Amino acid sequence: DAGITQSPRHKVTETGTPVTLRCHQTENHRYMYWYRQDPGHGLRLIHYSYGVKDTDKGEVSDGYSVSRSKTEDFLLTLESATSSQTSVYFCAIRGHPTTDTQYFGPGTRLTVL
Amino acid sequence: DAKTTQPPSMDCAEGRAANLPCNHSTISGNEYVYWYRQIHSQGPQYIIHGLKNNETNEMASLIITEDRKSSTLILPHATLRDTAVYYCIVRLLRTSYGKLTFGQGTILTVHP
Repeated sequence: DAGITQSPRHKVTETGTPVTLRCHQTENHRYMYWYRQDPGHGLRLIHYSYGVKDTDKGEVSDGYSVSRSKTEDFLLTLESATSSQTSVYFCAIRGHPTTDTQYFGPGTRLTVL
Repeated sequence: DAKTTQPPSMDCAEGRAANLPCNHSTISGNEYVYWYRQIHSQGPQYIIHGLKNNETNEMASLIITEDRKSSTLILPHATLRDTAVYYCIVRLLRTSYGKLTFGQGTILTVHP
């Protein structure tokens, strides 16, 4: 499982509140990713990081920000949550360059009321 | 990345081989075929990948046709725990940020 944990695993919040999701890895991988998964859309990349303080946008980044102050932690923040951000959020890391595979965390189910 | 086409669903009897097809007729010469699966409520899981030779690991085998326009993932002895959505992804190795694009995949249901 590549030592990836996500917290919280479940969260219910109200529209307009800030929310931060945390992804933690224990194996010092350089690349980390945040995806969201919704019915009918599959997994879509929100943001990714290629090192401490190095991040970039994915295909659905509007309404989200990220931070990576330590190698092991990648935070996803919804500054003002909306109902359209109700989703399951997955964090992933990029494995060894020879295989270039991604390993995913268990997911966070977020509900915005 | 090349587009892939997979059947939306398949069934398989427990203990039998599950053969999941994927068409990728626009694949370029340096693009790899990757397979991931997602068991209900879990994160996607890497299964196997290959370029043009057949590949086998402890989970599955990957058969890529000689023209590389299609491939088949084989689970040799399917179990109930193999019920999942299986994604075929075609992509370059070691792109700038390792982009993965997931399609709709194939829902494999393994029956007792």
